[in-house]
Amino acid sequence: QSALTQPPSVSGSPGQSVTISCTGTSSDIGSYDRVSWYQQPPGAAPKLIIYEVYNRPSGVPHRFSGTKSGNTASLTISGLQTEDEADYYCCSYTSSSTLMFGGGTRVTVL
Amino acid sequence: QAQLIESGGGVVQPGRSLRLSCAASGFTFSSHVMYWVRQAPGKGLEWVAFISFDGSNKYIDSVKGRFTISRDNSKNTLYLQMHILKTEDTALYFCVKDRREWDLVGSFDLWGRGTLVTVTS
Repeated sequence: QSALTQPPSVSGSPGQSVTISCTGTSSDIGSYDRVSWYQQPPGAAPKLIIYEVYNRPSGVPHRFSGTKSGNTASLTISGLQTEDEADYYCCSYTSSSTLMFGGGTRVTVL
Repeated sequence: QAQLIESGGGVVQPGRSLRLSCAASGFTFSSHVMYWVRQAPGKGLEWVAFISFDGSNKYIDSVKGRFTISRDNSKNTLYLQMHILKTEDTALYFCVKDRREWDLVGSFDLWGRGTLVTVTS
């Protein structure tokens, strides 16, 4: 049960766009639209920001968007803001009926 | 509003046992899949176990045979019984709710604040 692959860190200036990739296999991301994304500021519990690939929960800003192509899911933050600085995790359902998180990506606002 | 409150964490020696509890309120507990997710100090998130509304369950390989997830729908409470604890089980354990009713989609829309388990000799 290896973790999904995310870049350890990404950075951008306020107003720029950043994209975080989440690479899995045909046994998880490639087979299911049960991909979600979480934002975790330092010292806080994670918060759901994208569910089922591209859906935003109520209250999550429209600058957060999700997509999927093949075995890779992506989270894009458009118009980066200072409060977006946090760790981000992807998660997918798998063919073993289990769940798997990515290793996490630290987003830094320059 | 909906909330999850974990309890039961603490400092234990390797090989010992601990039981975590999670009190749920503000939503229909019995109709949601519930999960335990952990985070080792300074590390990422790791799914540990889930229990469905029908009582079926699954575990990550590293805890199979040692951990047992259960629920008491009459008390709106989720449990995680942990036996033969190892140092690598040291983590903040979060109780988590699935977003959908009557389905397992792995979208965790409600998290507790976590309870810390430290396994050390």
